[in-house]
Amino acid sequence: KAGVTQTPRYLIKTRGQQVTLSCSPISGHRSVSWYQQTPGQGLQFLFEYFSETQRNKGNFPGRFSGRQFSNSRSEMNVSTLELGDSALYLCASTARGQGGTDTQYFGPGTRLTVL
Amino acid sequence: GEDVEQSLFLSVREGDSSVINCTYTDSSSTYLYWYKQEPGAGLQLLTYIFSNMDMKQDQRLTVLLNKKDKHLSLRIADTQTGDSAIYFCAPRRKAAGNKLTFGGGTRVLVKP
Repeated sequence: KAGVTQTPRYLIKTRGQQVTLSCSPISGHRSVSWYQQTPGQGLQFLFEYFSETQRNKGNFPGRFSGRQFSNSRSEMNVSTLELGDSALYLCASTARGQGGTDTQYFGPGTRLTVL
Repeated sequence: GEDVEQSLFLSVREGDSSVINCTYTDSSSTYLYWYKQEPGAGLQLLTYIFSNMDMKQDQRLTVLLNKKDKHLSLRIADTQTGDSAIYFCAPRRKAAGNKLTFGGGTRVLVKP
């Protein structure tokens, strides 16, 4: 099976702009989670979508939003970009493993630089 | 919320064993994962352990869990240069759905 794919891999934007990142999960996976990784804050959970519905949300401002489509592909959007939004954005797709554990498989990430 | 602590750095000689430690605060964590991140890459799932287990072995990897002390460790036997990376532990509470809380990561440097 193909892994989790994220596009684009690299992105440069300026302050005040908005950006949309895309994630295609592993075939058959219905849950997609998004994480932000920065040197200062580490890996932080943004939100999770399952069957087109947001199921869980982290502590990020409303400028960060997402959605999921019927084919399980997900997009996240950041509006009014700030310098602090520069980060690696990781998407994870979830499978159901042994004993009911939901194992998350990560994509390569989108590196966003805000100038 | 959950706090997860890891030491920042570990240096090890090729062929030796590496032990990466992790402590967490939420006793309701039911699944505990280890991920590896190489430079410029995403996270690669290495292994995981259920909270009702004390130990899990998977080829060169051994995970030990001390639930009483909320301490998790990952041992890598016969460490190779390709094991140089950042390692993250991530406990997950069943009630939190698929949300993972990550430690800050341990950078492992393998010296020839």
